[in-house]
Amino acid sequence: SFVLTQPPSVSVSPGQTAMLTCGGGAVHPKIAVHWYQQKPGQAPVLVVFDESDRPSGIPERFSGSISGNTATLIISRVEAEDEADYYCQVWDSSRDSAGWVFGGGTKLTVL
Amino acid sequence: EVQLVESGGGLVQPGGSLRLSCAASGFNVSNYKMNWVRQGPGKGLEWISHIGSSIRTMYYADSVKGRFTISRDDAKNSLYLQMDSLRAEDTAVYYCTREIPARPPRDAFYYFDSWGQGTLVTVSS
Repeated sequence: SFVLTQPPSVSVSPGQTAMLTCGGGAVHPKIAVHWYQQKPGQAPVLVVFDESDRPSGIPERFSGSISGNTATLIISRVEAEDEADYYCQVWDSSRDSAGWVFGGGTKLTVL
Repeated sequence: EVQLVESGGGLVQPGGSLRLSCAASGFNVSNYKMNWVRQGPGKGLEWISHIGSSIRTMYYADSVKGRFTISRDDAKNSLYLQMDSLRAEDTAVYYCTREIPARPPRDAFYYFDSWGQGTLVTVSS
């Protein structure tokens, strides 16, 4: 089954751009990669779906891209409120029994 | 407004059983694919199980296959997770989620647009 690899932590100063990566053989432009934000004690919230699309209510500062086997969540003009854990997700239909796969998560620290 | 409310969590001994419920409002569960996702203490998200809408396809993670059963009651507009032969490693917050399709022409792809607040399951003697 698929494995999605995310760096455990990323640190960035306010106003800078954070780039959170999600890599693995499952990632390529023909599949959909989704990103969720989770703050302590709260349920995850969708921030980007299908590589770069945003649900209503999510700031334009959040975007995504895919290059080769790596998907990237891009957070521009980072704010203190963006500090959270971020998870990427894909649907794995490659095995006998399909299922969802999450990356291990990246903790974004705003310095 | 779409809302998912989980219940049924609690403390259970290893080898025991528990049934989680997820009450939906603002939409009909019969029209949507639904899932259970869990998160162990200090750990990341782990997908557990999926149930389709019209044909009720069911999938399970290898870690729970043969022990957990997902089901749905359209009349009660609820999703369930029957958990048997529980182990210490099943200790986690369990979330139910709803899937919706991405925008056309990529509407063959789905994502989780709604999550419940979660219910805590603790497996310990």
